[in-house]
Amino acid sequence: DQQVKQNSPSLSVQEGRISILNCDYTNSMFDYFLWYKKYPAEGPTFLISISSIKDKNEDGRFTVFLNKSAKHLSLHIVPSQPGDSAVYFCAANWGNNDMRFGAGTRLTVKP
Amino acid sequence: GAGVSQSPRYKVAKRGQDVALRCDPISGHVSLFWYQQALGQGPEFLTYFQNEAQLDKSGLPSDRFFAERPEGSVSTLKIQRTQQEDSAVYLCASSKTTGEHTEAFFGQGTRLTVV
Repeated sequence: DQQVKQNSPSLSVQEGRISILNCDYTNSMFDYFLWYKKYPAEGPTFLISISSIKDKNEDGRFTVFLNKSAKHLSLHIVPSQPGDSAVYFCAANWGNNDMRFGAGTRLTVKP
Repeated sequence: GAGVSQSPRYKVAKRGQDVALRCDPISGHVSLFWYQQALGQGPEFLTYFQNEAQLDKSGLPSDRFFAERPEGSVSTLKIQRTQQEDSAVYLCASSKTTGEHTEAFFGQGTRLTVV
């Protein structure tokens, strides 16, 4: 039962343009959402999060949008940089701190 | 240490062998998680500890998988009679609190290959 879905396995954008990574979830109990970034041979690194009481959270070049009615969230990176190339995981949790992850989207930013 | 540390980084086991994977969480972190990540997939939840108490083990795939955290700090994930489908990266994560949402910090993982 995959409760968090990232339907795009890969995304390629040009340096300086916007990257938009999408995530859908099915469990309406989720009340906290996170994005993690993962480089090869390393563990995932926390990037940004959003609580279900908000619809937007911004941190520098990274903005996460949450649409609760659609059970959808997205991560915007602008401007994209080659160092942003990594696998991005969407995660969600509720109450007990257990996190459920999507399958990931591999972002490639071309110079 | 400053981050979550896992050992060994790589482990090759013969089918049927028992393995033990170690996780040293960030000092003072109450919550500890184990995840299994197969190639091309996201991390799949295995089990969760709050201090020494294992509060959720619903993700453990079979009774060959066992996890412990006897003193509320270091944790060990044990897999008995390993099988080829156990080959994956095993990730450990820890977080500071349990009463409010907070991000978890991951270790580098242990890549287990069962041959």
